[in-house]
Amino acid sequence: DTAVSQTPKYLVTQMGNDKSIKCEQNLGHDTMYWYKQDSKKFLKIMFSYNNKELIINETVPNRFSPKSPDKAHLNLHINSLELGDSAVYFCASSQGWGGTQPQHFGDGTRLSIL
Amino acid sequence: GDSVTQMEGPVTLSEEAFLTINCTYTATGYPSLFWYVQYPGEGLQLLLKATKADDKGSNKGFEATYRKETTSFHLEKGSVQVSDSAVYFCALSDRAGGYNKLIFGAGTRLAVHP
Repeated sequence: DTAVSQTPKYLVTQMGNDKSIKCEQNLGHDTMYWYKQDSKKFLKIMFSYNNKELIINETVPNRFSPKSPDKAHLNLHINSLELGDSAVYFCASSQGWGGTQPQHFGDGTRLSIL
Repeated sequence: GDSVTQMEGPVTLSEEAFLTINCTYTATGYPSLFWYVQYPGEGLQLLLKATKADDKGSNKGFEATYRKETTSFHLEKGSVQVSDSAVYFCALSDRAGGYNKLIFGAGTRLAVHP
C-alpha cells in the first residue's frame, strides 16, 4: 500500500550514460514533483506537473527531462550523466497546487556517478 | 525570492530534554508553513503545518506556531525520545506564487541519546 513509490532505490552508473527514474503514486493526487537532495541534505525542487502538464520548471540543465504519461506517474530521464548529478532524487505528490496541501514523498533514488 | 533559514545542526540532546529548532522565513505573499521530518534512508514525511498567522500546528508531541510579526515557525517538543532522531526541515509554500512550490530550509539534524 505504498503511497509514492520510486524505482530504482539505488542507481550506480558511469559518466556519460543515460538513465531513468520512475515514480508512481496511488493517492489519487493530481500534482507531482521531482526534488534533488545534495550531499548536505539541501532539497531543491526541479519540476512539477499538474494533471500531466508542466507547471514548475526550475533552472535545471536540459539533460533532465521529466515525462508524465498520466497523473499517477512522473518519470525523470537524465542524459549524459555528470559527476555533479550524484544526489538523492525524491518524487512527491499532492492534491492540487494551491499551497496549503502537504506533499507526500517517496523514499528517494540515490544516484551515484562513477 | 522567498527563503527559509533554520538553525544549524547537529542538535544533540539527552532523552526527555526540551527541543527547540528555530526557523525564520522571508516571503512576498502569505505562505503556508510546514515542518517535515526525514528518518535515515527514507523520504520526507509531513510533521505539522500552519496555514495562517497565529495558527498552531501539532503532531506527535511536536508544536510550532505561525508568528507573522517575527516571521518565524519554531519547532518545539517538551520531551524528546531516541526515536525522534532525524533531520527536520522547515518549509514554506507561497500561495501568491500560484503554484504549490515548497521552499525548504537547509535541514537540522537531531540526535537524541538515551
